[in-house]
Amino acid sequence: KNEVEQSPQNLTAQEGEFITINCSYSVGISALHWLQQHPGGGIVSLFMLSSGKKKHGRLIATINIQEKHSSLHITASHPRDSAVYICAVAPGGNQFYFGTGTSLTVIP
Amino acid sequence: KAGVTQTPRYLIKTRGQQVTLSCSPISGHRSVSWYQQTPGQGLQFLFEYFSETQRNKGNFPGRFSGRQFSNSRSEMNVSTLELGDSALYLCASSKRQGLETQYFGPGTRLLVL
Repeated sequence: KNEVEQSPQNLTAQEGEFITINCSYSVGISALHWLQQHPGGGIVSLFMLSSGKKKHGRLIATINIQEKHSSLHITASHPRDSAVYICAVAPGGNQFYFGTGTSLTVIP
Repeated sequence: KAGVTQTPRYLIKTRGQQVTLSCSPISGHRSVSWYQQTPGQGLQFLFEYFSETQRNKGNFPGRFSGRQFSNSRSEMNVSTLELGDSALYLCASSKRQGLETQYFGPGTRLLVL
């Protein structure tokens, strides 16, 4: 049983398309994080959410605490957005449960 | 400000050996967490240290241990290495526990032969 489910597992998009990645979780959380991992392994934290919506450039993250669901949107996708996007939930402190990741490829 | 650094970046060991990995957090960060990433299991939480004390521990055998020093640098140790321990080991730091953005290091890639 996985506490965090992500969909889709793989996603291919044309440059400029609007992209949505979904994350559902089954545990109570204090925060949800969206992470980006490029080939080679480096991970960057994109967002930390405990409610509502956050926006950073072309990236938007939303969370619905009651439905235990979060979405990551990328507007006007670009090839440099190609990466693995990982949802992570924190029931408390910095102990995380991770989704299996969504591998995104944006084609020019 | 320098980011999170991990040493070594790559390591090859044989079964039965032990290994120590090091993580230096961002200056001023007192929380260090360790994660294991494998193709089969994905990312998994190992443990978190804050103020030299282990605060949380994931579901890993006792062969995996860690510690944190007074300057917040952290080490993790894996004893009696198994083939399945081959993985990318990542550490992340944050200023405090709780609702904090995690800053990840580049990882140490361990291959066990």
